[in-house]
Amino acid sequence: AQSVTQLGSHVSVSEGALVLLRCNYSSSVPPYLFWYVQYPNQGLQLLLKYTTGATLVKGINGFEAEFKKSETSFHLTKPSAHMSDAAEYFCAVSDQSGNQFYFGTGTSLTVIP
Amino acid sequence: ETGVTQTPRHLVMGMTNKKSLKCEQHLGHNAMYWYKQSAKKPLELMFVYNFKEQTENNSVPSRFSPECPNSSHLFLHLHTLQPEDSALYLCASSQLGPFEQYFGPGTRLTVT
Repeated sequence: AQSVTQLGSHVSVSEGALVLLRCNYSSSVPPYLFWYVQYPNQGLQLLLKYTTGATLVKGINGFEAEFKKSETSFHLTKPSAHMSDAAEYFCAVSDQSGNQFYFGTGTSLTVIP
Repeated sequence: ETGVTQTPRHLVMGMTNKKSLKCEQHLGHNAMYWYKQSAKKPLELMFVYNFKEQTENNSVPSRFSPECPNSSHLFLHLHTLQPEDSALYLCASSQLGPFEQYFGPGTRLTVT
């Protein structure tokens, strides 16, 4: 079985500072990896995904993530936080069949003006 | 309508009521999902449908009954729920396989 761990349920950064949200997974085979964002009273929106190929993946809103197989990590970063980035962020992993999606418990990002 | 829509957005029901949640996707996908999102708990996958056939049922109590009449519509029928079933219920769709899922806005369910 696969699992996803997001370190830090709450992260606060100052506006303009680097955003780093951590995600580690456990999987016996190379997984497919995703980051989603959820704004209040809304569903989840895909930020970016890694399937194969380049390990540095760029997404929407200036976010990017790097797949590091040796560290079993897929951390999400953004060079400069904006107030509109305040939301809940979820890391997810899928097996290669796509029949199972495993989500992390989420990280709530607060951006301080 | 575009994307994935869910109705109603909010629902309050008593433990003896019967209600249904509706999900519709306008993306041409052939897989649909129901998730339960409770505070401070991981997102829980409840049911998966591929081409209208249920492929996953993650030990969901029988008081939750899914229905998928076609690839575009998904229902979740609710009866004799418990207060601990109060949560945000999210519907999602995707192409078959390890592809990203597209989520609806959710139905906020409160069981009294």
